[in-house]
Amino acid sequence: DVKVTQSSRYLVKRTGEKVFLECVQDMDHENMFWYRQDPGLGLRLIYFSYDVKMKEKGDIPEGYSVSREKKERFSLILESASTNQTSMYLCASGFDTANYGYTFGSGTRLTVV
Amino acid sequence: KQEVTQIPAALSVPEGENLVLNCSFTDSAIYNLQWFRQDPGKGLTSLLLIQSSQREQTSGRLNASLDKSSGRSTLYIAASQPGDSATYLCAGNTGGFKTIFGAGTRLFVKA
Repeated sequence: DVKVTQSSRYLVKRTGEKVFLECVQDMDHENMFWYRQDPGLGLRLIYFSYDVKMKEKGDIPEGYSVSREKKERFSLILESASTNQTSMYLCASGFDTANYGYTFGSGTRLTVV
Repeated sequence: KQEVTQIPAALSVPEGENLVLNCSFTDSAIYNLQWFRQDPGKGLTSLLLIQSSQREQTSGRLNASLDKSSGRSTLYIAASQPGDSATYLCAGNTGGFKTIFGAGTRLFVKA
């Protein structure tokens, strides 16, 4: 089975801190994604990557950046955390997502105080 | 623009009942439809994926169907159990990296 591992289940950070959320997948998938999930707003795509060092903005990239230095690892960076970035963050990966869909990690619940 | 709607938003049923969760989408140009389960505070677990050339997929007590012409997918759960209690989301891929998620149906199965 494909495994997508998010390094932290829960994080509490202070406003203004730089925050790194890490995601690792073990099935050699080209495509990796970061979503945030909020009540009433559903899942919204922040960034995705279709290859090493390649990235594309999703629907809500403001306040975030990403890094993909190795194929298996995709990091989401909050340059200066703010309280409105308190959310559930979900990482996903996939091979040919148009045909084979996504595999998600277990999520990181981030609270910014 | 593709929109994905799930009705009802919440559902409570007694244990043992067969039930159907609905997912509708506005654009029939869909590449696949994927159903997920999400337990509180956790990530999404893929249940079934139906490619556009298929009409249904089955896994154990779960059966998902896809009717592109009517813009509908259903997830059928047979003989529901309390352990089935979770939120069920559907997601439609319209090509490449474009996937739209529904808001989910929160299911509660009473023992």
